[in-house]
Amino acid sequence: AQSVSQHNHHVILSEAASLELGCNYSYGGTVNLFWYVQYPGQHLQLLLKYFSGDPLVKGIKGFEAEFIKSKFSFNLRKPSVQWSDTAEYFCAPINTDKLIFGTGTRLQVFP
Amino acid sequence: GAGVSQSPSNKVTEKGKDVELRCDPISGHTALYWYRQSLGQGLEFLIYFQGNSAPDKSGLPSDRFSAERTGGSVSTLTIQRTQQEDSAVYLCASSPGQGFQTFFGQGTRLTVV
Repeated sequence: AQSVSQHNHHVILSEAASLELGCNYSYGGTVNLFWYVQYPGQHLQLLLKYFSGDPLVKGIKGFEAEFIKSKFSFNLRKPSVQWSDTAEYFCAPINTDKLIFGTGTRLQVFP
Repeated sequence: GAGVSQSPSNKVTEKGKDVELRCDPISGHTALYWYRQSLGQGLEFLIYFQGNSAPDKSGLPSDRFSAERTGGSVSTLTIQRTQQEDSAVYLCASSPGQGFQTFFGQGTRLTVV
C-alpha cells in the first residue's frame, strides 16, 4: 500500500536558521510530488510540486525541494526561515491513485 | 466558482444527531476528496471520487460516515449519530484529475457536544 512518512513532527527554529523537512514515500512507478502549507487560520495551499525534469524544484517564498528517486525522498528546504514561515507543512506524493498526505510537520519560527 | 467552497464553515451539533457537510468543487474538476483534520492527527483521507468511477471509500472510519457526489459536481459528506470523537475540521479538495495539483476548501469545523 502507498504510504508517506514525515519524520519531523514539530520543528522550532530561530529566524535566519536553515530548514530541512524530511519526506519519504513508498510508491512505485511514476510519482508526482507536492508540498502543501497551512498557515494559521488559513486553508491548505500548494507550496511546490514536482512532476518531471529537474529534480530540484523551486516553490513560493524561497522554498525548494529535491526529489531523490533512489531514496524515495522529497525533502523540503529553505536556507533562511522567517517568522512568517510558521505553519504546518504536508508532503503529498501521488501516482495513479488518490492523494495521501503525510502526518505533517508543525514549524514554529521565533524572531 | 473560483475555488472550492464548503458549507457550513462551522457546525455545532449534539451527540447522536446526524450532520451533512457540503462541498462545491471547482467547476470541471473530476477528482474530489474529503479529508479530516484533527489536532495532532494530520490530514486523514476519508473518501475519493474520480469521474464516474466507484468512489474509494477506504478511509471512512465507520459505517456512520458516507458521502455522495451528484452529477459529478457537488458532494455531501454525511455523519450519522455523531460522536464527540467526530469533532474535527472536514476538508474538501478537488483537482482536474489524477496526479494534478489539488485545491482545498476552507473546511467545515465540526464540534460535537
